[in-house]
Amino acid sequence: AQSVTQPDIHITVSEGASLELRCNYSYGATPYLFWYVQSPGQGLQLLLKYFSGDTLVQGIKGFEAEFKRSQSSFNLRKPSVHWSDAAEYFCAVGSGGSYIPTFGRGTSLIVHP
Amino acid sequence: DTAVSQTPKYLVTQMGNDKSIKCEQNLGHDTMYWYKQDSKKFLKIMFSYNNKELIINETVPNRFSPKSPDKAHLNLHINSLELGDSAVYFCASSQSTGGNSPLHFGNGTRLTVT
Repeated sequence: AQSVTQPDIHITVSEGASLELRCNYSYGATPYLFWYVQSPGQGLQLLLKYFSGDTLVQGIKGFEAEFKRSQSSFNLRKPSVHWSDAAEYFCAVGSGGSYIPTFGRGTSLIVHP
Repeated sequence: DTAVSQTPKYLVTQMGNDKSIKCEQNLGHDTMYWYKQDSKKFLKIMFSYNNKELIINETVPNRFSPKSPDKAHLNLHINSLELGDSAVYFCASSQSTGGNSPLHFGNGTRLTVT
């Protein structure tokens, strides 16, 4: 069975600072990995995904994520955070044998001016 | 053009009532889902339909009944509402059932049971 862990419930950063949100997964084969963002009062929006190939993937809104098989991680990064990035971020893992993508518990990003 | 739309956005009702939430997607996707998000933001899959066929039915009380009249619509009917049903319910769709198919979410229906 697949699982996802987001170790940080809340992350607080200052506007303009860099950001890294952690995601660790558990799955036997190469997983399909996703990051979603949920702004207040909204549904989840796909930021980026990794299936295979280059382990550094670029997404929307200036986000990127790096797949590290040795660490079973897929951390999300942004070099300079904007106040509008304050939201809930979800990591998710899918597999070829499962219809259900598994979501992490989410990390709430707070941005200070 | 809203890709996945659900109505209503807010639903306030009393215990024991029956209510429905509607969902429509205009993406041409084959698969649709209902998720429940609790107060701690945890997302739990409830149901999934592929081309109008139920393919996932997680441990959800029988009071919850999904209906898919066609592959663009997936509605959720809830009987005898309880306080614990209060949550945000998200409809989502994906191109296929494969684990590599990203989900497209609606904006959610906030259900409050008093």
